[in-house]
Amino acid sequence: DTEVTQTPKHLVMGMTNKKSLKCEQHMGHRAMYWYKQKAKKPPELMFVYSYEKLSINESVPSRFSPECPNSSLLNLHLHALQPEDSALYLCASYSEETQYFGPGTRLLVL
Amino acid sequence: QQPVQSPQAVILREGEDAVINCSSSKALYSVHWYRQKHGEAPVFLMILLKGGEQKGHEKISASFNEKKQQSSLYLTASQLSYSGTYFCGTERDGYNTDKLIFGTGTRLQVFP
Repeated sequence: DTEVTQTPKHLVMGMTNKKSLKCEQHMGHRAMYWYKQKAKKPPELMFVYSYEKLSINESVPSRFSPECPNSSLLNLHLHALQPEDSALYLCASYSEETQYFGPGTRLLVL
Repeated sequence: QQPVQSPQAVILREGEDAVINCSSSKALYSVHWYRQKHGEAPVFLMILLKGGEQKGHEKISASFNEKKQQSSLYLTASQLSYSGTYFCGTERDGYNTDKLIFGTGTRLQVFP
């Protein structure tokens, strides 16, 4: 099984809402990532978890809060987002010189 | 710090070849290549770990010139399925992809 799954596929939220994005992989990969991608732009790294510990935070605003409950699961908690946070949020995992991306969650903040 | 890719866009007929370049101003540890189709997630193509390394599968191959801090992706006898945006990803520090920076992207369109 070489799949990374993400839920939900689409999310619309208001600026006062609290929501969470979920990412799951059952490949035993030790590293998991959150990326943000705007239209026609490359993915931008947000967070990296290595062995369930946050190893990289690319100066992401605190309204984004990552969580890694176990080695298979990665969450991104969203609170008080701004319209400019609307984007495709991608999760990825890495092992043995291969990176696997999930299908992404397309987020719209109104 | 972001790697620069050239060209920005390529238009091909089926069967034609293309080369996409990725250049960095910083020393590189490795180079990754991805293809992303519209509305989909990036798909990993390959990773090059050593300067001078060349890799390939089917008609897509890549090289990594560590001294020049650049990599090239070669698409041979292009197919319609090759259409998409190609990104290189460069990693400047140590182990695996713990800090992967994506290049500016090259949009490739293949027509019948």
